[in-house]
Amino acid sequence: GENVEQHPSTLSVQEGDSAVIKCTYSDSASNYFPWYKQELGKGPQLIIDIRSNVGEKKDQRIAVTLNKTAKHFSLHITETQPEDSAVYFCAATDSWGKLQFGAGTQVVVTP
Amino acid sequence: NAGVMQNPRHLVRRRGQEARLRCSPVKGHSHVYWYRQLPEEGLKFMVYLQKENIIDESGMPKERFSAEFPKEGPSILRIQQVVRGDSAAYFCASSSGTGDGYTFGSGTRLTVV
Repeated sequence: GENVEQHPSTLSVQEGDSAVIKCTYSDSASNYFPWYKQELGKGPQLIIDIRSNVGEKKDQRIAVTLNKTAKHFSLHITETQPEDSAVYFCAATDSWGKLQFGAGTQVVVTP
Repeated sequence: NAGVMQNPRHLVRRRGQEARLRCSPVKGHSHVYWYRQLPEEGLKFMVYLQKENIIDESGMPKERFSAEFPKEGPSILRIQQVVRGDSAAYFCASSSGTGDGYTFGSGTRLTVV
């Protein structure tokens, strides 16, 4: 089955700097890769996603890149702000079409 | 246009009791997924349902846990004879089809005392 690994587990950045989170997946048939942000006490919220026919997607300060050959994808947050502090999860579809999640990255943005 | 509604938000049960968690998907979504999250851990898949069908229950413990998504009404995750280790946040998500984005609910936080 699909196995998604996510690094780092924690990430501390200065406000204004960039943050990068990386994920790898195992199932070459995976074709959908969303990223979720989870704030304390809340459910995960979809922030950006990418499909396998696209290499990069950007939405304001957030961008995602996908390398299908290497089976890895990354989340890039530029000009980080305190409200970006949260846990971020990557995910990839498995053969059933359901999502398998990475273990999460705790991002802390310090002023 | 309500999102995924989960209730209750918090549930306290004594060991041996039953816990019933409810999830109403986004209107028009026919795919429902349940995930469990332990404190400071990731989201672990439990079960994937479509209306009246269990599609994949590979993440569900074989005993005490069951799930349904009836033709009418919400999806229900049922845990019988709860134990302390069942304490966790249980999230429900829905989608309009496979390979589409999920919308998550706010979760039910189960505490077994």
